Amino acid sequence: DQQVKQNSPSLSVQEGRISILNCDYTNSMFDYFLWYKKYPAEGPTFLISISSIKDKNEDGRFTVFLNKSAKHLSLHIVPSQPGDSAVYFCAATTNNAGNMLTFGGGTRLMVKP
Amino acid sequence: KAGVTQTPRYLIKTRGQQVTLSCSPISGHRSVSWYQQTPGQGLQFLFEYFSETQRNKGNFPGRFSGRQFSNSRSEMNVSTLELGDSALYLCASSLTGGGWNEQFFGPGTRLTVL
Repeated sequence: DQQVKQNSPSLSVQEGRISILNCDYTNSMFDYFLWYKKYPAEGPTFLISISSIKDKNEDGRFTVFLNKSAKHLSLHIVPSQPGDSAVYFCAATTNNAGNMLTFGGGTRLMVKP
Repeated sequence: KAGVTQTPRYLIKTRGQQVTLSCSPISGHRSVSWYQQTPGQGLQFLFEYFSETQRNKGNFPGRFSGRQFSNSRSEMNVSTLELGDSALYLCASSLTGGGWNEQFFGPGTRLTVL
């Protein structure tokens, strides 16, 4: 039972345009959501997070939107840069779950120059 | 500040053997979590240790075990290896716990079981 799903395994975007990565979850107990970026041969690196009490969080070129009623979150990257090409994972956790993150399957983003 | 280190980086074992992987967290971090990444199942939580105590455990068989030492370094052990245990094993450290504490991942140990 996949509690966190990223339905698009890959996404290709032109440099300078917007990249939108989507993530759906089924567990209504999740109250904290994170995005990680992973380059080959490296561990995932934290990108941005959002608490369930918010619907938007912004950090530079990265914005995460949360729609609790739809159990959906998205990551917007504007403008996209070739260095953003990586695999992006969304993850979720609950307030009392410690560091037990539930990850989605990942979306490979390719930003073309 | 040194990042999370994992040793060894690559490992080849045969079915039935056991393996021990090591993780050194960032200095001052007390929480260490382990994840398994496979092409079929993605990133799955194995367990978390905080102050030498297992705080959370994922849905893995008892062949998978871990421990944490007083200096926060952690080891995970897999006994009676199966082909399906071939995976990238990632360790992550954070200051304390809770989803809002940033976790820093190591580069992983690539385990191949033949």
